[in-house]
Amino acid sequence: QVQLQESGPGLVKPSQTLSLTCTVSGGSISSGGYYWNWIRQHPGRGLEWIGSIYYSGSTFYNPSLKSRVILSAETSKNQFSLKLTSVTAADTAVYYCARGPGTYFESWGQGTLVTVSS
Amino acid sequence: DIQLTQSPSFLSASVGDRVTITCRASQGISSYLAWYQQKPGKAPKLLIYAASTLHSGVPSRFSGTGSGTEFTLTISSLQPEDFATYYCQQLNNYPPEFTFGPGTKVDIK
Repeated sequence: QVQLQESGPGLVKPSQTLSLTCTVSGGSISSGGYYWNWIRQHPGRGLEWIGSIYYSGSTFYNPSLKSRVILSAETSKNQFSLKLTSVTAADTAVYYCARGPGTYFESWGQGTLVTVSS
Repeated sequence: DIQLTQSPSFLSASVGDRVTITCRASQGISSYLAWYQQKPGKAPKLLIYAASTLHSGVPSRFSGTGSGTEFTLTISSLQPEDFATYYCQQLNNYPPEFTFGPGTKVDIK
């Protein structure tokens, strides 16, 4: 059973870069067949897909965030990461990492709250 | 951009009730439609994918139907653990982009 765990700072200052890592256990991100994804949820709101990465390095992003998002994967550590630049208070959210075959998200991390504040 | 709407946005129901939630897409999305259940403070859980395929371990009281622009999630007999918020999600193939519906909260009557 694959498990995903988000980690990173819970507080980021405005204009800085939000950096999160998802550590995968019980499965290899380089085994193929799955995309590795980031999704966020603003407090009390719905879900917003941020972007997806394949182990080969192929990425695709939400057009509304594309200019500020970088996804990367470190297969040797079985981790993938999110960087979101130039953050504002509007980026305050619970950030989830998730695995899926490319059309839906079948396994999720527990989520991590990131607050953007000075 | 493909937009998803859900109706109702909120429903109040009793244990044992049959509950139906509708998800409508602004244009046809074939069957790339999934449903999730989320409880407060928890990550969403996949219930159904490809519009009607039950994810492993999900009780058979959950079912999904639809194609094109209209999809439904049905809970045949609501159980106490089913009180939660339900989201639909679609994939637009080109360019690849996932979108979620706004959610339907199912509360206890």
